[in-house]
Amino acid sequence: KAGVTQTPRYLIKTRGQQVTLSCSPISGHRSVSWYQQTPGQGLQFLFEYFSETQRNKGNFPGRFSGRQFSNSRSEMNVSTLELGDSALYLCASSFLRDTGELFFGEGSRLTVL
Amino acid sequence: QKEVEQNSGPLSVPEGAIASLNCTYSDRGSQSFFWYRQYSGKSPELIMFIYSNGDKEDGRFTAQLNKASQYVSLLIRDSQPSDSATYLCAVNSNFGNEKLTFGTGTRLTIIP
Repeated sequence: KAGVTQTPRYLIKTRGQQVTLSCSPISGHRSVSWYQQTPGQGLQFLFEYFSETQRNKGNFPGRFSGRQFSNSRSEMNVSTLELGDSALYLCASSFLRDTGELFFGEGSRLTVL
Repeated sequence: QKEVEQNSGPLSVPEGAIASLNCTYSDRGSQSFFWYRQYSGKSPELIMFIYSNGDKEDGRFTAQLNKASQYVSLLIRDSQPSDSATYLCAVNSNFGNEKLTFGTGTRLTIIP
């Protein structure tokens, strides 16, 4: 059974640009959550999608957005990048929503110069 | 006050000894508790979850929960060098609008 797949794995952007990250969940999983991981703040919750609807959102500015498609694949977008957006962005899928039993992808490491 | 607190470590434990990792949380309404292991450069993986007060054992791992004290711990018996990793405590808070909140993790090093 294939795991959670995130693309791209690494990317470098400059301030002001935008970025789109993609996540394909485990087959059959309908919930996708996104987290930002930095050395200082740890794992911070961004948002959760279930059945193409955003079910929950963390305390991030509106520059961070996401969506989920009918096949449960999800994308997140960050616009007007800032240096502080440099982080590892992790996607996690689960069969149920509102569960802590998450399966994480390997992450997309974003560097903003 | 952080919602989920862990000692960042590093925690060094001799091989074969018991490693004890601790976590406290602030939301008394929290319902479920998770331990994730994250190796350096890798993503977190779920190793234990516990929903009720008391102990839950799985192989060399034991999760302990005390809701009255708002405290959850993870014990690793017969520690192995392969247990060296960062251990993340996660709590399902905000009952009714649940989201998983992670602590910043405890870095554990098992010394051969």
